[in-house]
Amino acid sequence: EPEVTQTPSHQVTQMGQEVILRCVPISNHLYFYWYRQILGQKVEFLVSFYNNEISEKSEIFDDQFSVERPDGSNFTLKIRSTKLEDSAMYFCAGGTENTEAFFGQGTRLTVV
Amino acid sequence: EDQVTQSPEALRLQEGESSSLNCSYTVSGLRGLFWYRQDPGKGPEFLFTLYSAGEEKEKERLKATLTKKESFLHITAPKPEDSATYLCAVSIYNTDKLIFGTGTRLQVFP
Repeated sequence: EPEVTQTPSHQVTQMGQEVILRCVPISNHLYFYWYRQILGQKVEFLVSFYNNEISEKSEIFDDQFSVERPDGSNFTLKIRSTKLEDSAMYFCAGGTENTEAFFGQGTRLTVV
Repeated sequence: EDQVTQSPEALRLQEGESSSLNCSYTVSGLRGLFWYRQDPGKGPEFLFTLYSAGEEKEKERLKATLTKKESFLHITAPKPEDSATYLCAVSIYNTDKLIFGTGTRLQVFP
């Protein structure tokens, strides 16, 4: 069964450094999302991406964040200058309609 | 404000002891209600989507139901492998995002 694949599974970075989190969505998905989950808290929406552009973003998704689908398969989330409070699990998700979301296993980002 | 509340926060069951998890929602226009299972350190695993009041869906020992204000996830004769956090999320009109509840942490003991 196809699945959403995320790499790396765990990333440790120093505060102020840039990180790129990568995702390979399921091939027939058209809608792509990034969510995050701070330890012990709810899963929170960051951004949705459709037709090669951002369709919606949350207040969390400020100028430090960007998304790309550079080659039609990979979907990336970049954080330009990480802060301690960016430490969280980041989940990529996708769907064939914007009413569904199938999640990857996540990347645990630790900012030190 | 759109809101999703799950109860209880945690539930301990003996193997075979059936129970229900609740997800109540207050939203401006429900497009769909989702149930996910999440194991520690993993991503949410899709279980069900419900779209209209009165709808029911089943998968193995799980059955999800929906009313105009809440959804229930019934677990019949649970097994230890059903232990996980169960997340409820809603999709509403005019937005792409899913709004999640805080989850119910289920532990099933043999």
